[in-house]
Amino acid sequence: GNSVTQMEGPVTLSEEAFLTINCTYTATGYPSLFWYVQYPGEGLQLLLKATKADDKGSNKGFEATYRKETTSFHLEKGSVQVSDSAVYFCALSDPTDSWGKLQFGAGTQVVVTP
Amino acid sequence: SQTIHQWPATLVQPVGSPLSLECTVEGTSNPNLYWYRQAAGRGLQLLFYSVGIGQISSEVPQNLSASRPQDRQFILSSKKLLLSDSGFYLCAWSGLAGIGGELFFGEGSRLTVL
Repeated sequence: GNSVTQMEGPVTLSEEAFLTINCTYTATGYPSLFWYVQYPGEGLQLLLKATKADDKGSNKGFEATYRKETTSFHLEKGSVQVSDSAVYFCALSDPTDSWGKLQFGAGTQVVVTP
Repeated sequence: SQTIHQWPATLVQPVGSPLSLECTVEGTSNPNLYWYRQAAGRGLQLLFYSVGIGQISSEVPQNLSASRPQDRQFILSSKKLLLSDSGFYLCAWSGLAGIGGELFFGEGSRLTVL
């Protein structure tokens, strides 16, 4: 079956540091890939997505590139802020699943200190 | 624009008591609806999804049930809560053509079973 694996957290960084969160996936077809962010006490918000190989999703200074050859979708940001402290979830959507369900990774907590 | 609301936001219930969490979507019709659970320190687990009124699919056998009495209303219930039912419950919706598309999440309902 499909699965998503993320690096374990928490990841603790200083403000303006470079952030990378690794995400790899297993899927039988060509999934769409997503990064969601969850701020403390809130629901999930879509951060970015990519629907085919070599697509790059970007938003709020975050980027992730759909790498089919390495089955990866790593999230990066060049200079983090304290407000980026949150839990980040990698997810995939199987195009053969007509119900549109998303498979999520376990989440990676990011803590940015001033 | 589309919005999704969940309530209550926070709930503390004794073991053995009933549960009802409600989710409503506005601004769209015939959405796919989902209930996810996020246990403490863990990722997101899909509990139920629905593609139409009265149509409920369960992903994992458990102490919970779901119902969709109206097109844009999704209810999560239990007759007798267990300690293990504690967690953060998230409702989400996607468009009818949800294949490869994103999910939109509510604010979440935090349930503590004592």
